[in-house]
Amino acid sequence: AQKITQTQPGMFVQEKEAVTLDCTYDTSDQSYGLFWYKQPSSGEMIFLIYQGSYDEQNATEGRYSLNFQKARKSANLVISASQLGDSAMYFCAMREFPYNTDKLIFGTGTRLQVFP
Amino acid sequence: EADIYQTPRYLVIGTGKKITLECSQTMGHDKMYWYQQDPGMELHLIHYSYGVNSTEKGDLSSESTVSRIRTEHFPLTLESARPSHTSQYLCASQGGQHGDTQYFGPGTRLTVL
Repeated sequence: AQKITQTQPGMFVQEKEAVTLDCTYDTSDQSYGLFWYKQPSSGEMIFLIYQGSYDEQNATEGRYSLNFQKARKSANLVISASQLGDSAMYFCAMREFPYNTDKLIFGTGTRLQVFP
Repeated sequence: EADIYQTPRYLVIGTGKKITLECSQTMGHDKMYWYQQDPGMELHLIHYSYGVNSTEKGDLSSESTVSRIRTEHFPLTLESARPSHTSQYLCASQGGQHGDTQYFGPGTRLTVL
């Protein structure tokens, strides 16, 4: 069965520093997608970045990059040059392809706090 | 990105009342989802739809019901609200680039007294 594990309940980082949020996953499929979402205190879920299992390069979106290590089944999110507005919950999620169920499986999240 | 809307954003209501949480999207996505999330916790899928007249229950059992009469509209109804229904409800639609990403609405925070 699919499973997403986020082992860091909370992380602190100083403004302008980089931070890595960990995510490991478990799947028996060869084809799948990995997603990261940000959830500020206002509650909405904001899509950040996507990595396909067959993508050869790590995904990047602005200050966000995904450190994808397929053999280790990890998909860590790296935020460079942290800003105060990055303080939020961050969720890792996975979906297997083909779309057997089209469901996203979410991890339990990591709360990131950026301090000045 | 999808434009997806939820109303109301906040709702405080008494036990036994019937409520409907609205969700609509303007991107023409066929696939839509409802999630339930307690504060600071993971999301749990409660309903999903792959198109008009298609609805399925998700992984978490819920007393709510949904309907999908129009592509853009996916409302969730609780016939008789209880304090155990207090939670945040997030609606999402799926499509576009990035592996058919799910895009979320702003959520409805429901409190049942």
